Amino acid sequence: AQSVSQHNHHVILSEAASLELGCNYSYGGTVNLFWYVQYPGQHLQLLLKYFSGDPLVKGIKGFEAEFIKSKFSFNLRKPSVQWSDTAEYFCAAVNTGTASKLTFGTGTRLQVTL
Amino acid sequence: EAGVAQSPRYKIIEKRQSVAFWCNPISGHATLYWYQQILGQGPKLLIQFQNNGVVDDSQLPKDRFSAERLKGVDSTLKIQPAKLEDSAVYLCASSSYVRDRWSNEQFFGPGTRLTVL
Repeated sequence: AQSVSQHNHHVILSEAASLELGCNYSYGGTVNLFWYVQYPGQHLQLLLKYFSGDPLVKGIKGFEAEFIKSKFSFNLRKPSVQWSDTAEYFCAAVNTGTASKLTFGTGTRLQVTL
Repeated sequence: EAGVAQSPRYKIIEKRQSVAFWCNPISGHATLYWYQQILGQGPKLLIQFQNNGVVDDSQLPKDRFSAERLKGVDSTLKIQPAKLEDSAVYLCASSSYVRDRWSNEQFFGPGTRLTVL
């Protein structure tokens, strides 16, 4: 079965610390990968996406993610987090060979302290 | 452009009652999705429509959940009768069809938070 795993359920960082959130998927074939963010009280928003090409993708607000096909990973990174990055982050994947059935991970709650 | 609209934003009902949620996707988006997000989990796809036809409803509990998308635009999701475990946020999303490839980028609405007592 297709699945997406996020290793960290809750991460607490101080402002200016570096961030890396893990994401692994269990798909064969070609996949599209996404990171969504949900700020407190707001709806899910797309942070960045990978469809093809350069495996290092840059998203909004200084976030980036690297697709490593050999490791089935798509980790999210940010060099220096801000208090406003406090949110829940979801990794998601879809197999491009089928209709768009997006599978989400369980999410990582990021708390950034001042 | 306007985003995905959902209503109501919050709903509290007692078990065995029925409830309905409404979704209006982004204009021109052919594909519409309903997700269930239980607290502490990621969204889980319940049903996917392509225009007014069902593409995937494999994870929809059909004994109590139903959904329709008449005219291929708005959609409603109904639960009848509700159970305690249906307490969750119900998300609607939509995506466009680009050339011969599904866009695969979904835009989400604010969700409806359902509490079943």
